[in-house]
Amino acid sequence: KQEVTQIPAALSVPEGENLVLNCSFTDSAIYNLQWFRQDPGKGLTSLLLIQSSQREQTSGRLNASLDKSSGRSTLYIAASQPGDSATYLCAVTPHSGYSTLTFGKGTMLLVSP
Amino acid sequence: EPEVTQTPSHQVTQMGQEVILRCVPISNHLYFYWYRQILGQKVEFLVSFYNNEISEKSEIFDDQFSVERPDGSNFTLKIRSTKLEDSAMYFCASTGRAADTQYFGPGTRLTVL
Repeated sequence: KQEVTQIPAALSVPEGENLVLNCSFTDSAIYNLQWFRQDPGKGLTSLLLIQSSQREQTSGRLNASLDKSSGRSTLYIAASQPGDSATYLCAVTPHSGYSTLTFGKGTMLLVSP
Repeated sequence: EPEVTQTPSHQVTQMGQEVILRCVPISNHLYFYWYRQILGQKVEFLVSFYNNEISEKSEIFDDQFSVERPDGSNFTLKIRSTKLEDSAMYFCASTGRAADTQYFGPGTRLTVL
């Protein structure tokens, strides 16, 4: 059974810092990996999707990398801002099936001004 | 920009009552999902739906749960006899292609008393 773990569980940084969030998964037979953002009491917003054949994906100040063989992904946030404060979730899609997502518990990020 | 909508935003019910949670997926999407998130825990997959039938379901999705797409726009989750442990945030998601980016609704917070 696929297990997804995210480290750290919480992170507090001052505005302007670059930071890295980590995600690991136990079964490397994935189709893709997605990073989501969740604001308190709200839904999930997709940030980046990396296909299993890709090594990284970028969107603005966000860069996600994937090392499928070692079961790891990182989300790099450059020049953090207070508006980046949220919980960041990592989720993997199995190589077979209808794209059901298995989620990690998330990293709660607080960026202080 | 098209978005997934869910109603109600908050539902309070008594144990043993039936509840129906409603979702309107993005109009040209073909794959539909329900997930739930118990407070403080991971987002968990419940069921996926494609071509008017369930394509996958988790162990959580037992006989008390059912899904339906009653018309061309709505997608519903019914819980026949609610239990205290059904209290959670329920998210609907949709995507146009299998294993593509999933778009989530804002969620329905279900409270079972």
